[in-house]
Amino acid sequence: GQQLNQSPQSMFIQEGEDVSMNCTSSSIFNTWLWYKQDPGEGPVLLIALYKAGELTSNGRLTAQFGITRKDSFLNISASIPSDVGIYFCAGPDNAGNMLTFGGGTRLMVKP
Amino acid sequence: DGGITQSPKYLFRKEGQNVTLSCEQNLNHDAMYWYRQDPGQGLRLIYYSQIVNDFQKGDIAEGYSVSREKKESFPLTVTSAQKNPTAFYLCASSLLDRDSPLHFGNGTRLTVT
Repeated sequence: GQQLNQSPQSMFIQEGEDVSMNCTSSSIFNTWLWYKQDPGEGPVLLIALYKAGELTSNGRLTAQFGITRKDSFLNISASIPSDVGIYFCAGPDNAGNMLTFGGGTRLMVKP
Repeated sequence: DGGITQSPKYLFRKEGQNVTLSCEQNLNHDAMYWYRQDPGQGLRLIYYSQIVNDFQKGDIAEGYSVSREKKESFPLTVTSAQKNPTAFYLCASSLLDRDSPLHFGNGTRLTVT
């Protein structure tokens, strides 16, 4: 089946730093979704991307849908302690029935 | 407010017992899903349902069972056949539109000893 590879697997940064993480696939995706999971909670949708080349912002978060449709990245500017969590990328499988999830990027922010 | 509710938040069981996790949504979503998450891991699909009285196996269905008697409810039973049941279980729902994002519950942490 399709796989999404996220990198890095984990990041430990200082408060105020900018963060960048990405998601790649060997096959084309028509939609990219970015979720954040706070510790002990369910994932929450951050940004949805529906068009190749699309760049979308949500506050301090910016995500882009790669032109090749095989990758996407998420940037967080001026990180704060509440940015801590696991960030997942996801996209519908070939049949469009199921979401495939990446393995997640665990972000830790030092105050 | 519309949302998806999982209960209980924490569940403890003895090995060999079946246990049922509850998931209810009032978002009027047709599709519902169960995922399993192990520490430091991503999400793995157990079962999903796109319509009442019908459901499909996901990637790791062995040792689990589900039912979908009502649109709003999609309970998951972890049976004694599941060899490593201790995990964080997440329920989600969505519209049937292929681009529709999933809405997740807050999870149930199951510990089996």
